[in-house]
Amino acid sequence: NAGVTQTPKFQVLKTGQSMTLQCAQDMNHEYMSWYRQDPGMGLRLIHYSVGAGITDQGEVPNGYNVSRSTTEDFPLRLLSAAPSQTSVYFCASREGRDSSPLHFGNGTRLTVT
Amino acid sequence: AQSVAQPEDQVNVAEGNPLTVKCTYSVSGNPYLFWYVQYPNRGLQFLLKYITGDNLVKGSYGFEAEFNKSQTSFHLKKPSALVSDSALYFCAVRDLSGNTPLVFGKGTRLSVIA
Repeated sequence: NAGVTQTPKFQVLKTGQSMTLQCAQDMNHEYMSWYRQDPGMGLRLIHYSVGAGITDQGEVPNGYNVSRSTTEDFPLRLLSAAPSQTSVYFCASREGRDSSPLHFGNGTRLTVT
Repeated sequence: AQSVAQPEDQVNVAEGNPLTVKCTYSVSGNPYLFWYVQYPNRGLQFLLKYITGDNLVKGSYGFEAEFNKSQTSFHLKKPSALVSDSALYFCAVRDLSGNTPLVFGKGTRLSVIA
């Protein structure tokens, strides 16, 4: 199994540009989420989804949109990129049971200039 | 609100010595607790979890963690450190009393010196 696949691995944007970070999982996981990782800040939750058609905000949702039209895919959209969104972004998924561990992708390193 | 603290940014240990990475948590109900490890340029990998039952939990790569409810701690341990254990370690907690997502600590960088 491929697990959780994130594309692209690296991206450079100019301030004001928009883009979509892709995330796909092949484990039939109900729950999917997006985190950003910044030095000294750990991982902060941006958005999450408990199933197709259902999304909710995490700790730092401003400037980001998500949708969940299928079980497999959970794209993250940056509407108008800002330098503060320079970060490493991780997508993670898990089974529906609350005690299940998260499975992470390898991340997308985004730089906004 | 739930929270987790990792009081040490960096832990250094000699190869072959025991290691401990500390984690304390705060929840209003009962916790689910997790440890994850991150190697350079990779996503986080699951190490172990505490859900209920035995306070000593064993996980991958010889790691274990002890749940201490009175001290609200979940320290990660290994009897004999390897150089290959050098990585970034994250503790995470979820409060069972509400429908809340997993919250991560800020991470502890473990450096094992040969």
